[in-house]
Amino acid sequence: GQQLNQSPQSMFIQEGEDVSMNCTSSSIFNTWLWYKQDPGEGPVLLIALYKAGELTSNGRLTAQFGITRKDSFLNISASIPSDVGIYFCAGHGSGNTGKLIFGQGTTLQVKP
Amino acid sequence: DGGITQSPKYLFRKEGQNVTLSCEQNLNHDAMYWYRQDPGQGLRLIYYSQIVNDFQKGDIAEGYSVSREKKESFPLTVTSAQKNPTAFYLCASSRLVPGGVDIQYFGAGTRLSVL
Repeated sequence: GQQLNQSPQSMFIQEGEDVSMNCTSSSIFNTWLWYKQDPGEGPVLLIALYKAGELTSNGRLTAQFGITRKDSFLNISASIPSDVGIYFCAGHGSGNTGKLIFGQGTTLQVKP
Repeated sequence: DGGITQSPKYLFRKEGQNVTLSCEQNLNHDAMYWYRQDPGQGLRLIYYSQIVNDFQKGDIAEGYSVSREKKESFPLTVTSAQKNPTAFYLCASSRLVPGGVDIQYFGAGTRLSVL
């Protein structure tokens, strides 16, 4: 079945640094989503991408839908302590209507 | 407020007991989903439903059961057949769009532990 590889698995950075994480798929995706999960809570949508090459920003967050449709990245600029959490990529490809495929998550720790 | 409500927040199960996790949404979404999350891992799909009175198994359905009698509600029962039920359970819902899936919105989760 379709799989997503998300990297890095974890990051420990200094406040103010920029962060980059990415996901790659074994097959073509039609939609890429990026979620953030705070400890003990459900994931919250950050950015949705629907077209190859699409570059979308949400405040300090920027995400891109890879031109090959098999990858996506998320960048966070000038990190702050409240950026701490787990970031998940998720995608939807053809042939699995109704289901999202999730990456394993990137755990981000920010040192003040 | 519109959203997805999961209850209870914390739940304890005794050996051999069935327990039911509640999920209600007032977003008028057709599709609803149940995921299991273990520490340090991603989300694994248990069951999903796209229409009332119909549901499909996900990747790890064994030991779980669901019902979809109302559009707003999608309860999950963790049966005694599930030998390792301790996990964080997440419910989600989404619209159905032509050709695929729309954004999934999540509840706050239920943490299930075994006594």
